[in-house]
Amino acid sequence: GEDVEQSLFLSVREGDSSVINCTYTDSSSTYLYWYKQEPGAGLQLLTYIFSNMDMKQDQRLTVLLNKKDKHLSLRIADTQTGDSAIYFCALTKDGNNRKLIWGLGTSLAVNP
Amino acid sequence: DTGVSQNPRHKITKRGQNVTFRCDPISEHNRLYWYRQTLGQGPEFLTYFQNEAQLEKSRLLSDRFSAERPKGSFSTLEIQRTEQGDSAMYLCASSRAGTAESQYFGPGTRLLVL
Repeated sequence: GEDVEQSLFLSVREGDSSVINCTYTDSSSTYLYWYKQEPGAGLQLLTYIFSNMDMKQDQRLTVLLNKKDKHLSLRIADTQTGDSAIYFCALTKDGNNRKLIWGLGTSLAVNP
Repeated sequence: DTGVSQNPRHKITKRGQNVTFRCDPISEHNRLYWYRQTLGQGPEFLTYFQNEAQLEKSRLLSDRFSAERPKGSFSTLEIQRTEQGDSAMYLCASSRAGTAESQYFGPGTRLLVL
């Protein structure tokens, strides 16, 4: 979507870190989410960050938020082949905590 | 917690036919959402319910689309007089009103209109 932008593809080697980036336009977004979608499957919520935070860590996942630059990133440490999927950035729009606006997704390929 | 379930998982229909999809949310969740996703795109918001009330509808939702949540539990999405452009994955999500209100998604219903 035009309000949320992500690079379309990322390729990493197994064991390396992956960093997936997302930029957005709506500075009033309250919550920002990362979802994972495997082929033929639904969307799995990975993590979220509240807009007054700048970092959140959850096991192998680290979310960084730069509100000034409207930039969100997801770092996956020690990337595994099972992490291969499409990763979507989603955020609430106009302070509305209900409707999510989505990026087009970043397809992560993990090579052995 | 059995998660969000959707039925059917796949539906093939001929243009002009009506189809209905069902979504069963996580039991304690009072908010329910419908999204549509086409290949290579992120999900697009269609509509959402709080309990049985439909509180917002996207302009994407033409008059041929109707959604209900009669008792504030499961929801149905009906598409009348289907068109080939309706072919997509229809996703349902639910959340509990509160702080983060994280939305949990079902597996989706893939619709193919021939």
